[in-house]
Amino acid sequence: DIVMTQSPDSLAVSLGERATIDCKSSQSVLYRSNNQNYLAWYQQKPGQPPKLLIYWASTRDSGVPDRFSGSGSGTDFTLTISSLQAEDVAVYYCQQYLNTPLTFGGGTKVEIK
Amino acid sequence: EVQLVESGGGLIQPGGSLRLSCAASGFTFSRHGMHWVRQAPGKGLVWVSRINDDGSSIIYADSVKGRFTISRDTGRNILYLQMNGLRDEDTAVYYCVRALAGTKVLDFWGQGTMVTVSS
Repeated sequence: DIVMTQSPDSLAVSLGERATIDCKSSQSVLYRSNNQNYLAWYQQKPGQPPKLLIYWASTRDSGVPDRFSGSGSGTDFTLTISSLQAEDVAVYYCQQYLNTPLTFGGGTKVEIK
Repeated sequence: EVQLVESGGGLIQPGGSLRLSCAASGFTFSRHGMHWVRQAPGKGLVWVSRINDDGSSIIYADSVKGRFTISRDTGRNILYLQMNGLRDEDTAVYYCVRALAGTKVLDFWGQGTMVTVSS
């Protein structure tokens, strides 16, 4: 199974400041045949189901604000919130979908400082 | 509007059975693979099972293999998860999740149904 490791477990950021979450996979999730990274990011607010933010490592889902961006390739990925808003308080998960079982990182809790 | 509405959760004794249902609407159900993902109280997300768009390909997590069965009724737009031999560690919110067509990107999640396994 591909193990996904996120860091940090939690972070507190001031409103309007940048938040950065890292995700590392135990093996590459880059599929050479199509040069795509099979990596997604999800946001889960308290009491709600997860919501897809980004897939193919850097493609924002429809309606996702452009302050959210994804980067990275192979085994190392980053989710960046360029200017944190109050509504961004949530737990963020990375997930690989190259292989089954699909696997998620442990989550990163983002709070306001 | 895409909707996924789960039902069938509840309190069940260890060793018991439950069948979860997920009613899908607002999209062409037959064009999407569907998944179940669970989340134990206060914990992270764990993938459980996947069925492809026409039901011909099914995969399970090792932790539920042989105990859980995923299925779909395309005529009624319903996804199912039959859960047998339930254990304490199966206690979780179970989410029904749609996959982006042709991928395993989990692009829309239901609100979830709580399953509690306890004596």
